[in-house]
Amino acid sequence: DAGVTQSPTHLIKTRGQHVTLRCSPISGHKSVSWYQQVLGQGPQFIFQYYEKEERGRGNFPDRFSARQFPNYSSELNVNALLLGDSALYLCASSPGELLYGYTFGSGTRLTVV
Amino acid sequence: RKEVEQDPGPFNVPEGATVAFNCTYSNSASQSFFWYRQDCRKEPKLLMSVYSSGNEDGRFTAQLNRASQYISLLIRDSKLSDSATYLCVVNMGGTYKYIFGTGTRLKVLA
Repeated sequence: DAGVTQSPTHLIKTRGQHVTLRCSPISGHKSVSWYQQVLGQGPQFIFQYYEKEERGRGNFPDRFSARQFPNYSSELNVNALLLGDSALYLCASSPGELLYGYTFGSGTRLTVV
Repeated sequence: RKEVEQDPGPFNVPEGATVAFNCTYSNSASQSFFWYRQDCRKEPKLLMSVYSSGNEDGRFTAQLNRASQYISLLIRDSKLSDSATYLCVVNMGGTYKYIFGTGTRLKVLA
């Protein structure tokens, strides 16, 4: 079975541009969460979706948005990119039950110049 | 106070040593607890869940202390391959939101 897949793996954008990151969860997993990890820090929670509904949102500005599709894949969109948005963006999937941990994708490394 | 706090380390230990990490959390309603391992420039990988009664997986033992609101990870007989960052993860009670600590760096020395 394929794990969590994310695309692209690396991305370079300039300030002010828009970016879309994609994630496909493990087959059968209905929950997708997005995290931002800056070098030297733990992952910071951005969004959580379950059954196509937003279930949680972290302390990120409205420039960050996401959605989940009927096949449970997800997109993270970031508008008006800032230098500080440079980070590793991780997608995680879980079956949906609270007792299960996440399985992470290998991430998208975004560099804003 | 941070929701999840860890000592960032680094912990430098010789091969074969026993090392323990603690992690404190602020929300008493938290329900699920995990330890993840993250290698440099890689994604975090689930190491083990932490159960109320404590649990062991080979050289790794995880404990939960609800009264004092902390979890711990004990690694026995450290191997060079255990060198990594260990992330404590806590579920915010009643939500699907998982909060990560900043991680504790472990370096096992030959």
